[in-house]
This record gives sequence, structure tokens and C-alpha cells, in this order.
Amino acid sequence: ETGVTQSPTHLIKTRGQQVTLRCSSQSGHNTVSWYQQALGQGPQFIFQYYREEENGRGNFPPRFSGLQFPNYSSELNVNALELDDSALYLCASSDLGGDTQYFGPGTRLTVL
Amino acid sequence: KQEVTQIPAALSVPEGENLVLNCSFTDSAIYNLQWFRQDPGKGLTSLLLIQSSQREQTSGRLNASLDKSSGRSTLYIAASQPGDSATYLCAVRHSNYQLIWGAGTKLIIKP
Repeated sequence: ETGVTQSPTHLIKTRGQQVTLRCSSQSGHNTVSWYQQALGQGPQFIFQYYREEENGRGNFPPRFSGLQFPNYSSELNVNALELDDSALYLCASSDLGGDTQYFGPGTRLTVL
Repeated sequence: KQEVTQIPAALSVPEGENLVLNCSFTDSAIYNLQWFRQDPGKGLTSLLLIQSSQREQTSGRLNASLDKSSGRSTLYIAASQPGDSATYLCAVRHSNYQLIWGAGTKLIIKP
């Protein structure tokens, strides 16, 4: 059973650019959640995908969008990057409604 | 709006001490509460999960309690070790999909 993986590990972008982050779910899980964690803060829920459909969304603007693929892997896309988007982006996989989410190591995004 | 607060923000204790980390939340209508550990460069690891109907959970040297009526949870770590050094976060499940997190307590165990 493989764990949750994320790529890339680190990424540096400039303001206004677009970025795509990727996540591979743990085997057998059909739900992926994405979180943004600013330095010194707890994670903030961005959105969740279940069977390729958005299943819930936190307080993030539409320039944060996502996809889930038939194999349950997922992408997080952020357009028009702002300096405040600099953070650790975490994805977590689970069964829908499952109590336990399994987290990947995260992608550290720096926006200059 | 659910808010989760963790006190203290940082804690440094000598090895071998017992310690308590605190978590408070403003809305008692939760599904469950979890304690996580976060190590630099690694993801979050779930330590203990307490369902809303439960009062406590134990795993090894860790014990977590939940008092929904007062909006509080504590994580008790017995006989602390340098390997326990990490950031500890609590999160409440407030709906069928969303976790709401505290900012964490950074714990340093001095050898």
C-alpha cells in the first residue's frame, strides 16, 4: 500500500504566474482534500474532491481550482499568483466521510 | 464560525517530564477532534482521534481528552523524549468534509 505523494517538493514562482501542484492518493481512497498552510499557522481547507467532483470548498477565491482524475489522483491549480499564496500546500486522501485523512509531505510554494 | 485555538504556541521542557498541550474550540457541534504531529519536511501524522461521543483516547504515552461542553481538549504526553519534538496540531471535524485547525504548539524536548 503506497502512501500519499505530492510533486514537486519545492517551487518558486513570480507574482502573476500560474502553478499546478499534483497529488497521488493512497491506494483505495476516493477522496482528496487540499489545504494551504502559511508559516506558523494551521492548515486552511481549500477544497475536497470526490469521484472527480468538487465536494466542498473553503474560503478561497476562484483562482484556486482543482481536478481529480479517474485514478483519484488530483491537481491544484492557482492562477494569478499573489505573494500571500506562498505557503505549504498539503493534500490528504481518505474514503468519503472517513474519519482519517492521510497526508502527503506537501509542496512548498514561494511566490516572489 | 468555528475557531480553534492552541495554547501555548511553543513549549520547551527537559526530557522525562510529563506535559499537557491545550486546544479549545468555539462551537461544540463537532463530529470529532484529532491531534496531529507535524515534523519539518514531512506531512501530518494523525496521533489520536476522539469521536464527539467519547471522552478520551489513549495510544502508548499519549492520552487525549475531549470536553465538548466546555470546548476543550488536552493532549497529555507522558515521560517525554527528544523524539517527541515536533509541532502538535489539533483539528475539529465540523462537517462531513472539512477539518478546522489550530495554529499548533511547537514542542521542544531537551535531552
